[in-house]
Formats: sequence, structure tokens, C-alpha cells
Amino acid sequence: GAGVSQSPSNKVTEKGKDVELRCDPISGHTALYWYRQSLGQGLEFLIYFQGNSAPDKSGLPSDRFSAERTGGSVSTLTIQRTQQEDSAVYLCASSWAGGRTDTQYFGPGTRLTVL
Amino acid sequence: GQQVMQIPQYQHVQEGEDFTTYCNSSTTLSNIQWYKQRPGGHPVFLIQLVKSGEVKKQKRLTFQFGEAKKNSSLHITATQTTDVGTYFCAGLPNTGNQFYFGTGTSLTVIP
Repeated sequence: GAGVSQSPSNKVTEKGKDVELRCDPISGHTALYWYRQSLGQGLEFLIYFQGNSAPDKSGLPSDRFSAERTGGSVSTLTIQRTQQEDSAVYLCASSWAGGRTDTQYFGPGTRLTVL
Repeated sequence: GQQVMQIPQYQHVQEGEDFTTYCNSSTTLSNIQWYKQRPGGHPVFLIQLVKSGEVKKQKRLTFQFGEAKKNSSLHITATQTTDVGTYFCAGLPNTGNQFYFGTGTSLTVIP
């Protein structure tokens, strides 16, 4: 079946502009995660959605970052007033139930470049 | 705060040599997962360890979880060029559902 998909695959924007990144999780997966990976770095947790529960936003680096998950499926990560330090690959992952032993399935990522 | 460190950051080996990456957590973990990311790709799940002292093998890969559940290792025997990539550990603390990823070890295999 289809895996996690993300769009766009690449995004180049100017400093100060807003961007929206989209994630389509695997059908049936109730948990969805957003991570950020800077060049040569590990994965930085951003936000976690599980079913209808309130999302865990503890990883969002500033109030310029927000995310929504509509209908328990597709998620959008929004970065307002982008800064150059926001340049990174943004990865989305989903899992069946977000349980403590669930495998996370990652999408291909969106490479964001802020000029 | 919670931290998961990995060493080394980079490793170059000749094809056929062994390779080990180590993962250390500042706090006790409930479980630990390992992922592999090929160059230009996304992380792919390899394995999960849950029990103290657990050892699991996948062909040439051996994964260990420490007795105190604060460290883990991945050992590759007789590396091949297909092993190239970055290996990440991801630790789950005893509370919460957030996995803390290590900084990763980038493996280069020289033919």
C-alpha cells in the first residue's frame, strides 16, 4: 500500500514569507509526528498528534510554528515569517496507534530553503 | 532535559571491517528503536528493543539494550557497501510518547 507522502518535496522561499508543508499519513494510522532534520543533524521532534487527543506541541521551536491535523488524517505544518535558520528537511511520520512500541513510518520529507 | 547521545558521529571503514555505534541516554528508557537513513532518503525502522539486556540479531546486525536500559549499541559484522547510511537510535522515556532521536552515526564503507 501507499506509504507516507509529503508535499512539496522541495520548497524555496524568501525570508519573512509563510510556508505550508503537507503530510498524508498511511491510511488507518492514527498517530502522526513532525520532525525537523538540519544538515548533518539528528531528528528534532516538533509535534505529535494522536487520534482526537490534544496534540503534544512541546517540540515546536517558536510561536511561528503551528500544525493542524484535519479529520484525523492529513496534517499541515505552517511556518510563519520564515527565517534562514528554519532551513531544514521536515519529516513526517505516522504509526498505527502512537503506542509506546509502535514503529514510525517516515515520509520522504520536504526540503525547505529560506533565502 | 532528556538527551540521547550517539557516538561516533562519523565512521569510515574498509569493506569487510566491523562497525559499532553507541547510544546513551541521560535517563532510563522504556524501549529503544533503531533506524537507518540512506543518503538522500528518509529513516527506515530496523528494530526495537524493550527488555533489559536484550540482544537481537538481523543477519550481520546485532542490537543490544543495556542492563540499566540507558544505553544501546548496533554492531555490523563484515560491512558491505549496502550498509552505507546514517544510523539513528530513538529512545522512549518511561513516561510520555515522544521518542528522542540520537544525533546519528554516519557510516561510510570504502570498497
